[in-house]
Amino acid sequence: NAGVTQTPKFRILKIGQSMTLQCAQDMNHNYMYWYRQDPGMGLKLIYYSVGAGITDKGEVPNGYNVSRSTTEDFPLRLELAAPSQTSVYFCASSYSSGRQGSQETQYFGPGTRLLVL
Amino acid sequence: GDSVTQMEGPVTLSEEAFLTINCTYTATGYPSLFWYVQYPGEGLQLLLKATKADDKGSNKGFEATYRKETTSFHLEKGSVQVSDSAVYFCALPDSWGKLQFGAGTQVVVTP
Repeated sequence: NAGVTQTPKFRILKIGQSMTLQCAQDMNHNYMYWYRQDPGMGLKLIYYSVGAGITDKGEVPNGYNVSRSTTEDFPLRLELAAPSQTSVYFCASSYSSGRQGSQETQYFGPGTRLLVL
Repeated sequence: GDSVTQMEGPVTLSEEAFLTINCTYTATGYPSLFWYVQYPGEGLQLLLKATKADDKGSNKGFEATYRKETTSFHLEKGSVQVSDSAVYFCALPDSWGKLQFGAGTQVVVTP
């Protein structure tokens, strides 16, 4: 298993440009998450998904969009890049057999470093 | 709401020293508790976890005990190595599975 993969590893964007950060997992996990990590800070949840076709906002969703058309993929879209979106973005996944929440381990991808100039 | 508080860093230690990183939490119910580690330039990976009160999680010489009475999950290692230099995050999931992370504690181990 490759686990959680993210592409690209690094990207420089100009203000106002758009891009999609890709995330895929091959563990058949139903939960997937996007976090951002600013320098010297903890992780903040952007969006999450409890299954294909279901997404919800996290703590800092403004300026981002997501979709979950398949179990494996959970892309994050930046429509109009701003310097405040300079950060490292991590995708994660976990599995829950229950109807509500996942207390299981989250598996993280290696991250995408984004610089907006 | 659910939250995690962990000691601020950086924590600088000499090799073979004893390491403790404090973590306390507030939560409704009894969630699982996690310690994640982030090595330089990498993503987070699970270090250890505990799923119920009095459980002890352990891995790579690190240990943490789920203390319900003190709402704590302190991380300890008896003898650190240079390779333990990393940022350590305490975390707990809320009822919807969203992880609440502490701010992270940077540990620097010198030879």
